[in-house]
Amino acid sequence: QVQLVESGGGVVQPGGSLRLSCAASGFTFSSYGMHWVRQAPGKGLEWVAFIRYDGSNKYYADSVKGRFTISRDNSKNTLYLQMNSLRAEDTAVYYCAKDRRQWPEDFDYWGQGTLVTVSS
Amino acid sequence: AIRMTQSPSSLSASTGDRVTITCRASQGISSYLAWYQQKPGKAPKLLIYAASTLQSGVPSRFSGSGSGTDFTLTISCLQSEDFATYYCQQYYSYPPWTFGQGTKVEIK
Repeated sequence: QVQLVESGGGVVQPGGSLRLSCAASGFTFSSYGMHWVRQAPGKGLEWVAFIRYDGSNKYYADSVKGRFTISRDNSKNTLYLQMNSLRAEDTAVYYCAKDRRQWPEDFDYWGQGTLVTVSS
Repeated sequence: AIRMTQSPSSLSASTGDRVTITCRASQGISSYLAWYQQKPGKAPKLLIYAASTLQSGVPSRFSGSGSGTDFTLTISCLQSEDFATYYCQQYYSYPPWTFGQGTKVEIK
């Protein structure tokens, strides 16, 4: 069965950095695009970043462009999100999500999420 | 970016009720729309894609309709496990992939 397990969340000061990981299993990771989606406390879902199955294309939300970097290691079945210059408004649960098909559309599996808190 | 607007933001209903949630796109998105269910403290779950196609394993009391700018999610006979927040998402034009603000279905 498909499993996505995020890790790496925690408390970080404004301006700090954090790297999230998403370990994938139960499907051919190297064949699917992957996303990061976040949810601030008590708020709705916000798409953050996408990476194509082979890493050749990456897209970012305007709110994180230039500060966050999405990457993947298909040999380790792992997705990453490097977050730099963190701000209070980046506080959220971060989910990794898998494309349902082999091109980006909707997301059929999501991890359980990892909480990032940006606070001094 | 395409803006997705859901209505209502919340609703109260009883078990057995028929519930309808609406999602409107700021421009036409054909049928490139998905619906997700999220329970407190849990990840979202894909219910419907392509506006009306039920994801595998989702009960048939859930249905979706619409195309262009106006879409609906209907729960034909609300069950206790359906009390949750529902989100629509467009994938017609990206980036960004955009979600509605959510509709919370509460127990009356």
